[in-house]
Amino acid sequence: EPEVTQTPSHQVTQMGQEVILRCVPISNHLYFYWYRQILGQKVEFLVSFYNNEISEKSEIFDDQFSVERPDGSNFTLKIRSTKLEDSAMYFCASSVRPTYEQYFGPGTRLTVT
Amino acid sequence: QKEVEQDPGPLSVPEGAIVSLNCTYSNSAFQYFMWYRQYSRKGPELLMYTYSSGNKEDGRFTAQVDKSSKYISLFIRDSQPSDSATYLCAMPDAGGTSYGKLTFGQGTILTVHP
Repeated sequence: EPEVTQTPSHQVTQMGQEVILRCVPISNHLYFYWYRQILGQKVEFLVSFYNNEISEKSEIFDDQFSVERPDGSNFTLKIRSTKLEDSAMYFCASSVRPTYEQYFGPGTRLTVT
Repeated sequence: QKEVEQDPGPLSVPEGAIVSLNCTYSNSAFQYFMWYRQYSRKGPELLMYTYSSGNKEDGRFTAQVDKSSKYISLFIRDSQPSDSATYLCAMPDAGGTSYGKLTFGQGTILTVHP
């Protein structure tokens, strides 16, 4: 069964460093998303991506964040200069259409020290 | 008022019980409804996807939507210890310029004890 994959599973970084989180969405999906979940809190939307551009972003997704689909399979989230409060689980998701089922990856746990 | 509200529990039931999990929402534009199961420190796993009002059944799981009350439910029959997880309701934006941003409830922590 097709699934969304994410790497790495756990990333530890120092404050101020850049990190890139990687995702491989399900192959026939066209809509891609990043969400995050701070420990004990709700899953929060960060950004949606369609047709090689950002279609919607939340107020969390400021200039420190960027997304890219560098090739036909990968979808990346970059945080330019990490802060302590960026520590969270980051989930990638994909969907065939925006209102259809969204399938999530296993997540990357980001720890900023 | 929060867009999606869900009682965080925790909810503890004996094995074999019927479990009822619920969410209320305020945005009448929501038309599609999803239930996810999330094990600790794992990604949300899609359980049920429904559109509009009514019931949908899949094995031991039944999703129910009442759009007039803005209330959705997930029922688990014959609950098993392996059902112990956090259950999240989620709704995608469905407006004309929507790209499917999901709004999640807080999640209900369920424990099924043998």
